[in-house]
Amino acid sequence: QMQVVESGGGEVQPGGSLRLSCGASGFSVASHGMHWVRQAPGKGLEWVALIWSDGSNEYYANSVKGRFSISRDISKNMLFLQMNNVRADDTAVYYCLRGIAVPDAFDVWGQGTMVVVSA
Amino acid sequence: SYEVTQPPSMSVALGQTATIICGAMNIGSRNVHWYQQKPGQAPVLLIYKDIRRPSGIPERFSGSNSGDTATLTISSAQAGDEGDYYCQLWDSNTASLVFGGGTRLTVL
Repeated sequence: QMQVVESGGGEVQPGGSLRLSCGASGFSVASHGMHWVRQAPGKGLEWVALIWSDGSNEYYANSVKGRFSISRDISKNMLFLQMNNVRADDTAVYYCLRGIAVPDAFDVWGQGTMVVVSA
Repeated sequence: SYEVTQPPSMSVALGQTATIICGAMNIGSRNVHWYQQKPGQAPVLLIYKDIRRPSGIPERFSGSNSGDTATLTISSAQAGDEGDYYCQLWDSNTASLVFGGGTRLTVL
């Protein structure tokens, strides 16, 4: 059974930092492009970041470039999102997703982890 | 950036066919995926690479993509089809993944 479980969300002050984690089971994060996608309350889906299956490239949405960093630990089969200098508009549910097909489609969704940026 | 447009909302009568569109310049040259999201739930992949259905997705859901419009078609609409529908593609020009703004479907 393929599954992802996100964790690490919570409340953080503007300008602060947070590290999100994602544990994968039933598949290897080294075999797929892995993404973070977020959804602000009452809003649509927004792509955040991608790390290639071989780890050689990372891509970011303009809204988070220079502030967020995606990484993975293959030995633990985990994906991470380091969020620095957070802003109020980073408030959202964050989903960790594996890519299938080319270009990446997302077939396995967890429940996400909620990040609230508030003073 | 590559602009992808979806109507914010639409309605369909019970048992009729709903057609949800995703518009963008020459979108027919790209592979488009579709998701359904019901209130309080994570999205579900309905269609990938324009026309392919993941296992477990009913045949009532189908996709097409040509010219400037990608389309998700829901046949024999049911009350359980209510929710938000998103199209998604990869923009190789900007190396970014793009979601449409979503279409909220109401079944009357």
